[in-house]
Amino acid sequence: AQSVTQLDSHVSVSEGTPVLLRCNYSSSYSPSLFWYVQHPNKGLQLLLKYTSAATLVKGINGFEAEFKKSETSFHLTKPSAHMSDAAEYFCVVSLPGYSTLTFGKGTMLLVSP
Amino acid sequence: DGGITQSPKYLFRKEGQNVTLSCEQNLNHDAMYWYRQDPGQGLRLIYYSQIVNDFQKGDIAEGYSVSREKKESFPLTVTSAQKNPTAFYLCASSSTPGDLSYEQYFGPGTRLTVT
Repeated sequence: AQSVTQLDSHVSVSEGTPVLLRCNYSSSYSPSLFWYVQHPNKGLQLLLKYTSAATLVKGINGFEAEFKKSETSFHLTKPSAHMSDAAEYFCVVSLPGYSTLTFGKGTMLLVSP
Repeated sequence: DGGITQSPKYLFRKEGQNVTLSCEQNLNHDAMYWYRQDPGQGLRLIYYSQIVNDFQKGDIAEGYSVSREKKESFPLTVTSAQKNPTAFYLCASSSTPGDLSYEQYFGPGTRLTVT
């Protein structure tokens, strides 16, 4: 079985400070992992994905994530938060042979001036 | 512009009525998906289709029905049997059915309110 846990339901940061959104997965096999972002009342947009190439993955808008197999983690980071980063972020996992994705419950990122 | 359109953006219905949500894509993708989103619960899969005229139930298919008569269209009907239909519904598509290492592209969503 596959599962994904986003460790924080809400994260608050000040503009210009680093962002860390945590994600752990459970899988017996090598997964593909994604981070999506959702702004209020919008669809989801892909930020980045890991598919067994480089373990440090760079995405759009300055975000990156590191795949750590030993820790079964795929945390999302950004060096400096911007007001426009305020949104909900979803960690998503897929496995070979599965025909559906598994979504985390989401982390709401709040950015204050 | 290529993408996924969902209509309408907001939909209001009385309890006991069936309602159909539209999803159209011009990305030439084979696979299409319907998700339901409730606050704090992430996305849950309702139905998916990997090819025209074929579809499979997801995790929460009860009270919903779909059809896939055309590659570009995957409408979702919320029936009166769905106990709690008020939610945000998202449609998605992907180019490679059966290979989820490729990302899914999402539409803007339809917010359904049933009273």
